[in-house]
Amino acid sequence: DTGVSQDPRHKITKRGQNVTFRCDPISEHNRLYWYRQTLGQGPEFLTYFQNEAQLEKSRLLSDRFSAERPKGSFSTLEIQRTEQGDSAMYLCASSLALMGGRDEQFFGPGTRLTVL
Amino acid sequence: GNSVTQMEGPVTLSEEAFLTINCTYTATGYPSLFWYVQYPGEGLQLLLKATKADDKGSNKGFEATYRKETTSFHLEKGSVQVSDSAVYFCALDQGAQKLVFGQGTRLTINP
Repeated sequence: DTGVSQDPRHKITKRGQNVTFRCDPISEHNRLYWYRQTLGQGPEFLTYFQNEAQLEKSRLLSDRFSAERPKGSFSTLEIQRTEQGDSAMYLCASSLALMGGRDEQFFGPGTRLTVL
Repeated sequence: GNSVTQMEGPVTLSEEAFLTINCTYTATGYPSLFWYVQYPGEGLQLLLKATKADDKGSNKGFEATYRKETTSFHLEKGSVQVSDSAVYFCALDQGAQKLVFGQGTRLTINP
């Protein structure tokens, strides 16, 4: 399977705990995106990387959220001191961004987080 | 800021009916526009796209035309099938491929 993979697919945690999600993009893709999708809504942009550099973070990404992409390959998204409002589907996408190009984003299956 | 508004769902149609899902957008400049589809139990997939005004994107019998004058990108299909049942999302690229999505429209096709 050469698509975008995410782990875990489901995570249930108690309020106040820390959680970490992993995304493995398509291997040759240089851009990686994180989105959050709540029930009945479309995905909302959180942050993105070009190679290992985090180029932009949305205002939705509070100080409790941190994302990394060491070595420009897989990425992790950590949420500290989870709150019930963090319950959502967290989606990862990757693309191959060429100069002046607008290449397709390929999405992973998502990690569904439930905070009790 | 940039935003996308889709018609309220859910939408239920009979097989072979004509489909329209409305999408309008607000944006600075001329962003690329997309329709994504999410089949049950699967991740988002790109259905079609258009990168400039008057472009028509098409795929799997679906079409959408980039209308600058009405800031719209309505999705159409002439004859839907049961297998088209899914959630459809309209989206725009607000730069660096950061996508802004509409709220999604759930489509159910009955045989």
